[in-house]
Amino acid sequence: AQSVAQPEDQVNVAEGNPLTVKCTYSVSGNPYLFWYVQYPNRGLQFLLKYITGDNLVKGSYGFEAEFNKSQTSFHLKKPSALVSDSALYFCAVPPPSNDYKLSFGAGTTVTVRA
Amino acid sequence: EAGVTQFPSHSVIEKGQTVTLRCDPISGHDNLYWYRRVMGKEIKFLLHFVKESKQDESGMPNNRFLAERTGGTYSTLKVQPAELEDSGVYFCASSATGVSYGYTFGSGTRLTVV
Repeated sequence: AQSVAQPEDQVNVAEGNPLTVKCTYSVSGNPYLFWYVQYPNRGLQFLLKYITGDNLVKGSYGFEAEFNKSQTSFHLKKPSALVSDSALYFCAVPPPSNDYKLSFGAGTTVTVRA
Repeated sequence: EAGVTQFPSHSVIEKGQTVTLRCDPISGHDNLYWYRRVMGKEIKFLLHFVKESKQDESGMPNNRFLAERTGGTYSTLKVQPAELEDSGVYFCASSATGVSYGYTFGSGTRLTVV
């Protein structure tokens, strides 16, 4: 079965420092991989996706993610974090047989301190 | 365009009571999905509608949960009778095409059963 794991429940960084949110995957074949973010009192918002092509994917709000096949990882990164990036981040993957259904990681709470 | 709207945003009910959650998808989106996040864990798939038909309800936890989508427009998710373990955040999403990277999520309904 397709699955993703987010090894860190929480990530704390200072504003202006690099931010990394980790995700590893377990899938058969070539995966589709997604990142979503939930800001306080808001819905889940799509950040970026990897389908195929370049391993470095750029998304919304200055975020990017690197697909690493050898390490089965899809870490989310931002070079310089903002306080407004404080939110809950989810990695997700659909199964190959029915790509309408997402499997999410447990989520990582990011806190950026001023 | 208006996004996916969920009502209510919060609900607190007593164990044994009935609660009905509503989701209004983006107009014209045939595909509607329900997910939930329980106790800070993964967001899990509940079911998928295509228009008014249930395409996949494999994630529904038990027969206390009933989802409907009248006329292929808005959807309701009824929990009757509610149990403590039903507490969590219930998300709705819709898409024009039946693929996960076309999702738009609502802001969720936070259900607390006491």
